[in-house]
Order: sequence, then C-alpha cells, then structure tokens
Amino acid sequence: QQQVKQSPQSLIVQKGGIPIINCAYENTAFDYFPWYQQFPGKGPALLIAIRPDVSEKKEGRFTISFNKSAKQFSLHIMDSQPGDSATYFCAASWEGSARQLTFGSGTQLTVLP
Amino acid sequence: EAQVTQNPRYLITVTGKKLTVTCSQNMNHEYMSWYRQDPGLGLRQIYYSMNVEVTDKGDVPEGYKVSRKEKRNFPLILESPSPNQTSLYFCASSLTSGTSYEQYFGPGTRLTVT
Repeated sequence: QQQVKQSPQSLIVQKGGIPIINCAYENTAFDYFPWYQQFPGKGPALLIAIRPDVSEKKEGRFTISFNKSAKQFSLHIMDSQPGDSATYFCAASWEGSARQLTFGSGTQLTVLP
Repeated sequence: EAQVTQNPRYLITVTGKKLTVTCSQNMNHEYMSWYRQDPGLGLRQIYYSMNVEVTDKGDVPEGYKVSRKEKRNFPLILESPSPNQTSLYFCASSLTSGTSYEQYFGPGTRLTVT
C-alpha cells in the first residue's frame, strides 16, 4: 500500500513558469515532510522540508505548502530555470518509524529554455 | 569532503552469481539504509541499520542481505541475483539524533541481472 502518492509523474514548463508538484499521505502520524531533488546520474539530495506545525515554508525559489486537514503537501518552484530540470521526490517520516522515509513515486520536471 | 560512496557504479551480472555492493560514509552517521529505484515506483527501502550490528528489513527485503560490522560501512549482498533485481540502488546515511533528519545519498549503483 503506497502511503505517499505523488503527482504528476512528469511535468514540462517554460522558463519562468511555476511548476507545482503534489503529494498526499495517509498516515496521520507522519510529522516530517521533505522534498528531494535528483539530477541524472546522481543520488537524491534534500531540497527543502517542512513540519506540520506550519502551513508554508520558503527557501529561495522553492516553497512547500502544507495542508494538514487534507493530508496534502506540495512543492512550488518560482521563476523556474532550465537548471531546475530534475526528478523531484516527496517523502514523509515519523518518529515511531525510526525516521524511515516513505517516498512518493517521483516527478520528472523539464524546464524548457 | 562529507560523502557516501558506493562501488561499483555499474554492474552487469548473470542470474545466480553472488555479488556485493559496498557502501561507505565518512560522516560518522549512525543510520544507514539501502534503497532501490525503479521507474514509476520511486525509492523503496530494502534494509536499514540504526547502528553497528543493528539491521532491520525495509519494504522490499526479499533476495537481499546486509551487514553492519563497522559504523562507516553497510554492504548490500545479493546471494543469488535474479532479473527482477535489475534496478538502480542507492545507499544513504543520516544522524539519528538532533533536529535534522536529512539523509545523504550515494551516487547510485546500476545493476543489470541477465
């Protein structure tokens, strides 16, 4: 049973656009929601993370929006650039799971010049 | 440089031939984990270790073994590989205390089993 559902599977935007990637979770015990960015040939790397006590977190051009009641969170990339082209994974964890990460299925983002 | 290293990066083998993928980290992290990445399925955890001599199954442990004899190393063993284990494998490590739960990933090992 997939505990974190991610959409869309792929996304193509023009430079300067605002791609939005959505994730939904089922386990209400989750209390840490990171996003990882993966470039071709590389391992995933932490991009930004949020805890459920806030509804939004912004780091540079990347923003996480969190809706606890809907059990959903999303990643917005402002003023997207071709260098943002990568695969993005949402994930979730909770203390009772020894902080193991449950990942979404990934979104392949392409930002056209 | 703080990093997680994996070897080999690419491996082509035949069904049933035992293989080991090594993983090493230089950040003194207690937690280490193995994932496999398959198209449309994201990253699925195979095994993890909270510390030396402590290992536990993840979501897809069948056909894999691990050991944690030293804090820095966490090898993944496939004793009798099968074609359905063809995948991209990642090792990761993190601290188990403090406020940051960031996992640091290695560069990946692409395994093909024919």
